[in-house]
Amino acid sequence: GAVVSQHPSWVICKSGTSVKIECRSLDFQATTMFWYRQFPKQSLMLMATSNEGSKATYEQGVEKDKFLINHASLTLSTLTVTSAHPEDSSFYICSASVAGGLRFFGPGTRLTVL
Amino acid sequence: AQKITQTQPGMFVQEKEAVTLDCTYDTSDPSYGLFWYKQPSSGEMIFLIYQGSYDQQNATEGRYSLNFQKARKSANLVISASQLGDSAMYFCAMREGGLTGANSKLTFGKGITLSVRP
Repeated sequence: GAVVSQHPSWVICKSGTSVKIECRSLDFQATTMFWYRQFPKQSLMLMATSNEGSKATYEQGVEKDKFLINHASLTLSTLTVTSAHPEDSSFYICSASVAGGLRFFGPGTRLTVL
Repeated sequence: AQKITQTQPGMFVQEKEAVTLDCTYDTSDPSYGLFWYKQPSSGEMIFLIYQGSYDQQNATEGRYSLNFQKARKSANLVISASQLGDSAMYFCAMREGGLTGANSKLTFGKGITLSVRP
C-alpha cells in the first residue's frame, strides 16, 4: 500500500507552546489529506480536510485558529497546534487519498502537553 | 442516526479459528465505499480491506474477507485462521460520494477490540 509518514511520532511540550506535526506522502502525490484526533479507547474524529494550495475545511467544533493546517505541496501537510494546553493532549493521525479512493494513514503522533 | 455502527464491545477468539466482526452502515448515497482498518496498540491504522458499493463480489484480501450484504446495509469482516498478532482494535469506516470520493471524508465506527487466545 501507499506510504504515509508523520513526524514526530511523539512530542511532549509545555502548556502555551506551539507544536507542528508533519504528514508526508512518500511514494505518491496527495491532493487531499485528512487530519484526525483520537482519545484513548475512542474512535477517530475528523478535524479537517486539507487540500493542496487552498484553505483547509474544518469540522464543526474544531477551532481553525488553534489547529492551523497548511498543505503547501502535493506531498506535505502540516498541523500546528497553537498555544497547546493539556486538553489538547491526544493522538493525531493524518490520512491521504490515493487513486481509486483508498485511504492510507500515517503512524500517528502522540502529543502530551504538560 | 449513526452512520457506522459497531456494537460488539469486545470479541474473543481462539487461535486458528475464524471470527466475524460486525458493521452496519447508514447512507442514502448510492455511491459509497466501506473500509476496515486494524489498529494495534502502537496506534497505527493498518488498511485491511475495501468494498465499493457497486462491487458485485465480496472483497477478499488474504485471511480477510468482507461479507457485504447491501440490502441489509452490513459489511462484516471475517478473519480466518486467527493469529495472536490479530489482537487489536478494528474499525469499520465509510466514505460517501462520487466514484472514488477522493475528497470525501471517512466516517468511523466506535471500533471493536479483538483478543486472540492461544
